[in-house]
Amino acid sequence: EPEVTQTPSHQVTQMGQEVILRCVPISNHLYFYWYRQILGQKVEFLVSFYNNEISEKSEIFDDQFSVERPDGSNFTLKIRSTKLEDSAMYFCASSVGHRLTGELFFGEGSRLTVL
Amino acid sequence: GDSVTQMEGPVTLSEEAFLTINCTYTATGYPSLFWYVQYPGEGLQLLLKATKADDKGSNKGFEATYRKETTSFHLEKGSVQVSDSAVYFCALSLNSGGSNYKLTFGKGTLLTVNP
Repeated sequence: EPEVTQTPSHQVTQMGQEVILRCVPISNHLYFYWYRQILGQKVEFLVSFYNNEISEKSEIFDDQFSVERPDGSNFTLKIRSTKLEDSAMYFCASSVGHRLTGELFFGEGSRLTVL
Repeated sequence: GDSVTQMEGPVTLSEEAFLTINCTYTATGYPSLFWYVQYPGEGLQLLLKATKADDKGSNKGFEATYRKETTSFHLEKGSVQVSDSAVYFCALSLNSGGSNYKLTFGKGTLLTVNP
């Protein structure tokens, strides 16, 4: 069964360092997303991406964050200068379309720990 | 803003017990409602959904009914199994003008089922 895969599963970094989280969405999907969950808090929407551009982003997704689809398979989330409060589980997701009659498929998550 | 409140966990049950996980929502429009499940070591998976009032979503023995009058979408299962042990997330989405899967999640409820 096709699935969304994420790497790394866990990354530890020092405050101020750049981090890139990688995702391989399901191959025929066209819409891509990042969500995150800070420990003990809700899963929060960060950004959605379609046709090589951001289609929607939340207030969390500030200038420190960027997304990219560098090739036909990967979808990356970059945090330029990590802060302690960026420590969270980051989930990538993809969908065939944008209508809610379909389904959003999530990866297992990448846990980011900022020291 | 839009929000989802779900029952705080953890919930621990014996096999074959009845399960209810409460979920209520606040939304400015007319949302679609979802339950996602995350099994250990896996990504979030769509368990069931309902897109309009009085709809009942069901899957794998789980059910939830969209109650507009009480703004609720409680998850129920008549007889849980050990394999149901997971984290359950209630979520909503307001499909504003063909927008993307911008889901608003609850905090998640950890369910442990003992044999």
